[in-house]
Amino acid sequence: SQQGEEDPQALSIQEGENATMNCSYKTSINNLQWYRQNSGRGLVHLILIRSNEREKHSGRLRVTLDTSKKSSSLLITASRAADTASYFCATGSLKAAGNKLTFGGGTRVLVKP
Amino acid sequence: DTEVTQTPKHLVMGMTNKKSLKCEQHMGHRAMYWYKQKAKKPPELMFVYSYEKLSINESVPSRFSPECPNSSLLNLHLHALQPEDSALYLCASSQTRDRGSSGYTFGSGTRLTVV
Repeated sequence: SQQGEEDPQALSIQEGENATMNCSYKTSINNLQWYRQNSGRGLVHLILIRSNEREKHSGRLRVTLDTSKKSSSLLITASRAADTASYFCATGSLKAAGNKLTFGGGTRVLVKP
Repeated sequence: DTEVTQTPKHLVMGMTNKKSLKCEQHMGHRAMYWYKQKAKKPPELMFVYSYEKLSINESVPSRFSPECPNSSLLNLHLHALQPEDSALYLCASSQTRDRGSSGYTFGSGTRLTVV
């Protein structure tokens, strides 16, 4: 079952613009992660934010986490054509036994040159 | 080595066949995972191994049988699959939660078609 829901489901922008996508989740989390997937291949880990963190940066990526609203956002600044991919949020649950990461529905991003 | 290697990349099998998917990592990760992903959908967890022991089975049908022979290898044995089992099968590894939260490293997946 999906833990997170992502919004929007699809996003089309011009190269150089910023892309913002949002993720909402339902249960208590240990951490929230963002992944990128190109053309139905393997997922690439982008960034992890812990439940006691509010904001994190990595290169052109900025992630925020609001545990009171159970939501997170991913901002990609100065987008490039190579950023075209599907982006998934994933949550690590506090209550889940063992290691369990549950993915949201994903946002498909198209960056037009 | 910072990769998870999955073989084969593509597999076509009949409903009466037996085949295996293989996954290997040499990052010292003691948690390994199998995910199934249908087109335009998120990955869905199938199995979790922690320290070579099965810790989570997400009610996966018995025609899928996982195996973790050692800390570097993870197999998924397939038998009597149905056409609806056609999907991208992803293997991943990570540190175990007792060693702190970390991102997962995914393989490139095996594209499985059941005919």
